[in-house]
Amino acid sequence: DVKVTQSSRYLVKRTGEKVFLECVQDMDHENMFWYRQDPGLGLRLIYFSYDVKMKEKGDIPEGYSVSREKKERFSLILESASTNQTSMYLCASGDPTEAFFGQGTRLTVV
Amino acid sequence: GNSVTQMEGPVTLSEEAFLTINCTYTATGYPSLFWYVQYPGEGLQLLLKATKADDKGSNKGFEATYRKKTTSFHLEKGSVQVSDSAVYFCAPHFYNQGGKLIFGQGTELSVKP
Repeated sequence: DVKVTQSSRYLVKRTGEKVFLECVQDMDHENMFWYRQDPGLGLRLIYFSYDVKMKEKGDIPEGYSVSREKKERFSLILESASTNQTSMYLCASGDPTEAFFGQGTRLTVV
Repeated sequence: GNSVTQMEGPVTLSEEAFLTINCTYTATGYPSLFWYVQYPGEGLQLLLKATKADDKGSNKGFEATYRKKTTSFHLEKGSVQVSDSAVYFCAPHFYNQGGKLIFGQGTELSVKP
């Protein structure tokens, strides 16, 4: 069974904290993605990576960075969390025929 | 740039009604096209896909045809069920941009008995 695993389902962090969201896939995919999902806005692409150590900005990269040191792991970093980053974060990995999603991390910044 | 536009929701239908959810995209190339579904409290799952012009994707009674001329990929189902209540996302996948995958804003479907 294919799997994309996000490290936490729920997370509460304080404003100004550095936050790491981890994502691991076991399908040997080259492409991995981070999205945030907000009511009425759908899924918006934050960053994606098409190879180890390679990354591309998505539509809303501001306030975020990413790390892809190994093929199976793609980390999203909030350098200094703010309340407007409270959201559901979804990780995906894929090949040209399909993308598979993790269960999501609901992050609340207080 | 590349973008995708979906029909706004929420859409409320009675059981056995016909469903259409519109999706159009703008692209510099020819992406593969996907529909994903998100049931309440769950993650996204692939519903169907089409990789080239005139291809028809189908699954669970849903269908969508890749229309290159109109850059559209509308989702249809002849007879919806209560269990189809979910949020549906249209997603073009752009190979020529390193595999960038973008999503429409999602259309919430509610089917009443």
